[in-house]
Amino acid sequence: EAGVTQFPSHSVIEKGQTVTLRCDPISGHDNLYWYRRVMGKEIKFLLHFVKESKQDESGMPNNRFLAERTGGTYSTLKVQPAELEDSGVYFCASSQDLDSGRFFGPGTRLTVL
Amino acid sequence: GENVEQHPSTLSVQEGDSAVIKCTYSDSASNYFPWYKQELGKGPQLIIDIRSNVGEKKDQRIAVTLNKTAKHFSLHITETQPEDSAVYFCAASPGSNYQLIWGAGTKLIIKP
Repeated sequence: EAGVTQFPSHSVIEKGQTVTLRCDPISGHDNLYWYRRVMGKEIKFLLHFVKESKQDESGMPNNRFLAERTGGTYSTLKVQPAELEDSGVYFCASSQDLDSGRFFGPGTRLTVL
Repeated sequence: GENVEQHPSTLSVQEGDSAVIKCTYSDSASNYFPWYKQELGKGPQLIIDIRSNVGEKKDQRIAVTLNKTAKHFSLHITETQPEDSAVYFCAASPGSNYQLIWGAGTKLIIKP
């Protein structure tokens, strides 16, 4: 069974540019989560999809971040325009239902210069 | 809201010795406490979890203990091996319908 995949693995952009991160969850997992870890700090929740619907987006830092999950399969997280403080590792995770374990992808390391 | 503190930030132990990582939480409503291991280049992977109706749980060389009164829980790894080297995260949640609140992580280094 393929795990959660994320693309790209690394992204280096300049302040003000736009970046789009992609997450492909495990097939059949309705729940998809985005998290972020800023260097050396805790992992923070960004948002949670159930199928194509945003169940909880309370962790999204501001309106420069836009997440979508059209069709309830893969998800994208767009940052526009990127700021220096957006640098960090963005993780995606998926789970079959709320009570089951979350499987994490390898993350996308975003560096904003 | 919930706040999770994790210590130490870095832990170096000799191969074969035990390692202990501690976390404290602030919300007495939290009742689910998972531990994740993140190896280099990979995402966090759930290694063990405990719910507030038990005080200890073991799985081979790893164990987790929970003290609800003191609001702290710990990860214990015995007979450490080189492959135990990783970053370990604790987390807490009021339940499966709530989001996890994470600790800042502990980098565990196993010295040969």
